[in-house]
Amino acid sequence: SQQGEEDPQALSIQEGENATMNCSYKTSINNLQWYRQNSGRGLVHLILIRSNEREKHSGRLRVTLDTSKKSSSLLITASRAADTASYFCASRNSGYSTLTFGKGTMLLVSP
Amino acid sequence: EAQVTQNPRYLITVTGKKLTVTCSQNMNHEYMSWYRQDPGLGLRQIYYSMNVEVTDKGDVPEGYKVSRKEKRNFPLILESPSPNQTSLYFCASSFEGIPDTQYFGPGTRLTVL
Repeated sequence: SQQGEEDPQALSIQEGENATMNCSYKTSINNLQWYRQNSGRGLVHLILIRSNEREKHSGRLRVTLDTSKKSSSLLITASRAADTASYFCASRNSGYSTLTFGKGTMLLVSP
Repeated sequence: EAQVTQNPRYLITVTGKKLTVTCSQNMNHEYMSWYRQDPGLGLRQIYYSMNVEVTDKGDVPEGYKVSRKEKRNFPLILESPSPNQTSLYFCASSFEGIPDTQYFGPGTRLTVL
């Protein structure tokens, strides 16, 4: 069953602004992953944060994880038009070998 | 180039006509998986395999079959397709026998009439 839920469903910003997307999940996780999907294409892995980590950075990406609130956020700083895509969080539950994806956030970055 | 390939990329078929979507990866990955993506529902896992000859059901396995006879290949079989299987299908793989840092194929858009 789906457990990752992203918020907002859609986000529209201007180039140079920061974009923040949130994800909530319901059960205990081993890790939480973020993926990007350009329209109708395959997903691309962005970053993985483990349950014992609170924050992780990769280039212009910053991910936080709050296991007490069962939530994560993805921050993209200084957004570019090329960041326009859908972003999905995916959780791997503790003790399981499956990945559960949320429904995604559509990000539109206007020049 | 490290990649996951899927064939065909587009397929229109009729109800009941058996079909196979192939998936191959050249990264020696142990874990492979099939997902379907539908508007408003996100990605849902159909089947996965943690290694050769090891397969298991995901969230929506009904109407699908898989096999993992070789490490690089993980075909998805629809024995008797129905219109509710019209969807965008993705194959994915990852290095260890767990779904961390998955590499996705380009997708197969299937229409069942």
